[in-house]
Amino acid sequence: EIVLTQSPDTLSLSPGERATLSCRASQSISSSYLAWYQQKPGQAPRLLIYGASSRATGTPDRFSGSGSGTDFSLTISRLEPEDFAVYYCQQYGSSPRTFGQGTKVEI
Amino acid sequence: EVQLVQSGAEVKKTGESLKISCKGSGYSFISYWIGWVRQMPGKGLEWMGIIYPDDSNTRYSPSFQGQVTISADKSIRTAYLQWSSLKASDTAMYYCARLVGTTVTPFDYWGQGTLVTVSS
Repeated sequence: EIVLTQSPDTLSLSPGERATLSCRASQSISSSYLAWYQQKPGQAPRLLIYGASSRATGTPDRFSGSGSGTDFSLTISRLEPEDFAVYYCQQYGSSPRTFGQGTKVEI
Repeated sequence: EVQLVQSGAEVKKTGESLKISCKGSGYSFISYWIGWVRQMPGKGLEWMGIIYPDDSNTRYSPSFQGQVTISADKSIRTAYLQWSSLKASDTAMYYCARLVGTTVTPFDYWGQGTLVTVSS
């Protein structure tokens, strides 16, 4: 099973700042089958990024994903108030599919 | 508009059985894999398994194999997650979600979640 470790657990930033979230895999993720989701309190997760770097429909361009192999990152170029949430990475190239433990981006 | 609408919250006792549902609309239900994701209170997301409604081909995470059953009724565009004997540790929010395409794709549309509370 591929274990995904996200860091940091919590990121304390202000609106307008840049956020960089990390997701490290215990084994190489094939074909960059890595996604990022955003979850706000009381809501279902929302797909932001797939294929490590492709934005899902409706994802603002301030969100960008990068990485390959075992190291991936999600960058939010300038935080908007609505971006404060928990972010999860997920690998979907190997069975079982797994999620990281999440990074909370807080004010 | 693609929608996945889940059944309402459930409060059950340990040892009871339960079946929760997820109804899809706004797309070809039989053509997309539907999955289930668990989120225990205050915790992260766990991928449980997926089903292809057209032929009921099902894949489970080893952590959930034998613990739950995923099924679908394509005639009513509904997927199900069921337990035969609930434990307190099954207390969680359960989400259904649709895969973008093949099995090597992420979830693009999600249901609103069904909260399952199990007590003794």
